[in-house]
Amino acid sequence: NAGVTQTPKFRILKIGQSMTLQCTQDMNHNYMYWYRQDPGMGLKLIYYSVGAGITDKGEVPNGYNVSRSTTEDFPLRLELAAPSQTSVYFCASSYSRQNMNTEAFFGQGTRLTVV
Amino acid sequence: QQQVKQSPQSLIVQKGGISIINCAYENTAFDYFPWYQQFPGKGPALLIAIRPDVSEKKEGRFTISFNKSAKQFSLHIMDSQPGDSATYFCAASRGGADGLTFGKGTHLIIQP
Repeated sequence: NAGVTQTPKFRILKIGQSMTLQCTQDMNHNYMYWYRQDPGMGLKLIYYSVGAGITDKGEVPNGYNVSRSTTEDFPLRLELAAPSQTSVYFCASSYSRQNMNTEAFFGQGTRLTVV
Repeated sequence: QQQVKQSPQSLIVQKGGISIINCAYENTAFDYFPWYQQFPGKGPALLIAIRPDVSEKKEGRFTISFNKSAKQFSLHIMDSQPGDSATYFCAASRGGADGLTFGKGTHLIIQP
């Protein structure tokens, strides 16, 4: 059981380039999330999805796009990379909204540097 | 607006001591308060969680204390071990589906 798998683990982008961060989960979870983690700042929610075909903005969505065509996959797209997007990105999934009976499982992260 | 404030930013505790990390929240709609543990190079993992109708929850050496009137909650690690050295995040969730609001994290070092 792989859980939440993110690829790539590391990436260096030039300003203005685009890329897609991949996230897939094999737990048949309905809810998926993208967070970014900056040093000393905790994790901030970028986008989330409550099921295939449904996505919504989180706290910091500017500069990003997502899609959810299947239950398993939730890719995050950066169209025009900027230095402010240098961060560690985490994908997470949960069976339903997070409560005492439903925890969120996180991937190992993608460390992105924009130069 | 930071909805979950966490302190201290870093903490050094001797092996066998008690580690205490505090969090305060503002949004009274929050109804789920988990703590996550993160080791370097890894994603956060759920450590322990509490709901607001309970004042304390204990799992092994880890205890959450919750004060609803003060809008504060804390993590206590008893008999702290070097293997507990990690970054700890408090978080909160409200009634919707929109993920967790995290504190800024506490870097905990347990000295042998």
